[in-house]
Amino acid sequence: DQQVKQNSPSLSVQEGRISILNCDYTNSMFDYFLWYKKYPAEGPTFLISISSIKDKNEDGRFTVFLNKSAKHLSLHIVPSQPGDSAVYFCAARGGADGLTFGKGTHLIIQP
Amino acid sequence: GAVVSQHPSWVICKSGTSVKIECRSLDFQATTMFWYRQFPKQSLMLMATSNEGSKATYEQGVEKDKFLINHASLTLSTLTVTSAHPEDSSFYICSAPGQNYGYTFGSGTRLTVV
Repeated sequence: DQQVKQNSPSLSVQEGRISILNCDYTNSMFDYFLWYKKYPAEGPTFLISISSIKDKNEDGRFTVFLNKSAKHLSLHIVPSQPGDSAVYFCAARGGADGLTFGKGTHLIIQP
Repeated sequence: GAVVSQHPSWVICKSGTSVKIECRSLDFQATTMFWYRQFPKQSLMLMATSNEGSKATYEQGVEKDKFLINHASLTLSTLTVTSAHPEDSSFYICSAPGQNYGYTFGSGTRLTVV
């Protein structure tokens, strides 16, 4: 049973436009959500996070929105840049356990 | 910022041999280290959690005797894949809790068993 779902395996966005990556979760005990960026054969790099008590967190071009009632979060990247092309993982934390990851969304920024 | 150094970055080994993967926290003390595995086009799956000074806890379905985890000090955790087989070929990544709820990941180890 997948507790964190990223239903879009890939997403193609034109440079300069907004990229929106979506994530759904099922476990209401998750208290913290994180987004990671990953290149092939490398470890994930932390991007941005949000506590379950908030509904928005912004850091530069990255904004994460959390809708607890819908158990849905999204990552907005604006404006999208070529260097943003990578696989983005949504992750959730519940208590002291390790993170639960979604399957990732491959973001492709087109010039 | 917090850095986790993972070695080796890739390894090819013969079936039946053992491989050790090391993760070191370079500028902070990691009392906990999470070990993940990622198969192609799949998510990162938590395998086990190592805690300094105590036994590791394994996720359901992960063989303790096959994946030996040792957390010898506050800066070193190791994962040994014993009697490796081709189906163990995967990308292994360690991660330690950092500051501000961030988790710092190692750079990963690509294991290929032939």
